[in-house]
Amino acid sequence: AQSVTQLDSHVSVSEGTPVLLRCNYSSSYSPSLFWYVQHPNKGLQLLLKYTSAATLVKGINGFEAEFKKSETSFHLTKPSAHMSDAAEYFCVVSDRDGGYQKVTFGIGTKLQVIP
Amino acid sequence: EPEVTQTPSHQVTQMGQEVILRCVPISNHLYFYWYRQILGQKVEFLVSFYNNEISEKSEIFDDQFSVERPDGSNFTLKIRSTKLEDSAMYFCASSLATGLAGTDTQYFGPGTRLTVL
Repeated sequence: AQSVTQLDSHVSVSEGTPVLLRCNYSSSYSPSLFWYVQHPNKGLQLLLKYTSAATLVKGINGFEAEFKKSETSFHLTKPSAHMSDAAEYFCVVSDRDGGYQKVTFGIGTKLQVIP
Repeated sequence: EPEVTQTPSHQVTQMGQEVILRCVPISNHLYFYWYRQILGQKVEFLVSFYNNEISEKSEIFDDQFSVERPDGSNFTLKIRSTKLEDSAMYFCASSLATGLAGTDTQYFGPGTRLTVL
């Protein structure tokens, strides 16, 4: 079975402070994990992905995520928030099951950045 | 950089009407997908398509839905008789098949907002 849990539906940070968006997953197989960002009225943009290479993954706009198998986590971080980071963030798990690709989205975390 | 495009960006239709949502995947990709996101809810998988046939579908993808790749570039989602609850943002995605190399990254289009009145 495959599932994704984003532990916070809303996160609010001040501009210039660190961002932490949490994601836990479960998967029967070796999964790939992704973070996508969705700005208001826009489509989904890939931030970064983990596909069984380095466990610390660097993405666009200064974001990074660390895959921790023992904790089944893939939390997204950024050292210093910018106003333009305000958006909704989705953690996604993907694996193959019986030859088919299965993809599950988390419920999303809305990031608010306070000036 | 190649991207997935979708048309129209916003479609308004009357309940019971048929709608066709169009997508142009990235040109060398072989897997195609449709997702939907009802306002305020999570993104839900609808269907995946490979080699001119459906490879997987969710329970949402009932007989009212169909997909087609009518030519070498377009990938369409048809809803035969729309219901109010079909109002959502519909996202198309595509990925490049890599066989045994693991799961492929899906690249998403900007979405079509469907409003059923």
